[in-house]
Amino acid sequence: KQEVTQIPAALSVPEGENLVLNCSFTDSAIYNLQWFRQDPGKGLTSLLLIQSSQREQTSGRLNASLDKSSGRSTLYIAASQPGDSATYLCAVRPSTDSWGKLQFGAGTQVVVTP
Amino acid sequence: DAGVIQSPRHEVTEMGQEVTLRCKPISGHDYLFWYRQTMMRGLELLIYFNNNVPIDDSGMPEDRFSAKMPNASFSTLKIQPSEPRDSAVYFCASSFIHQETQYFGPGTRLLVL
Repeated sequence: KQEVTQIPAALSVPEGENLVLNCSFTDSAIYNLQWFRQDPGKGLTSLLLIQSSQREQTSGRLNASLDKSSGRSTLYIAASQPGDSATYLCAVRPSTDSWGKLQFGAGTQVVVTP
Repeated sequence: DAGVIQSPRHEVTEMGQEVTLRCKPISGHDYLFWYRQTMMRGLELLIYFNNNVPIDDSGMPEDRFSAKMPNASFSTLKIQPSEPRDSAVYFCASSFIHQETQYFGPGTRLLVL
């Protein structure tokens, strides 16, 4: 069974510092990987989606890399801001015949202090 | 579009009572997902529908849980009878076949006493 792990569970950084969030998965046979953001009391918002054939995706200050062979993905947030404070979850789609069936990590709670 | 709409946002009930959670997906989306989020187990997929038809309900924990989608704009998740261990945040999400991103609703926070 696919296991998705996010370490650390919580992270606090001063404003302006770059954020590095890690996601690991046990089965490299994934179709894609997504990064989500969750604000308190709200649902999840998709940030980036990386297909298994891709090495990275970028959107503004966000960059996500994928190393499928080692079962790892990293989300980089450049020049962090207090508004980046949230919980970040990664999710993998385990196989090509499981459209929409995502396996989520537990998330990393991020606090960016002014 | 208003996004995925869920009601109620908060529900407090007593053990043994029936609970019905509601979801209105984004118009035009043909997939609908029900998730449950707890501190212990994280975010788990319970069931998902394609064009109103249940495709995979392997995540539904017990027979006490049931879900329906009578039309493209409405779905319900019912728990009968409810138990304290059902306390969680329940999310509904929808997506479009050609776009893998799922759009989540704000969730229903359920507390079973």
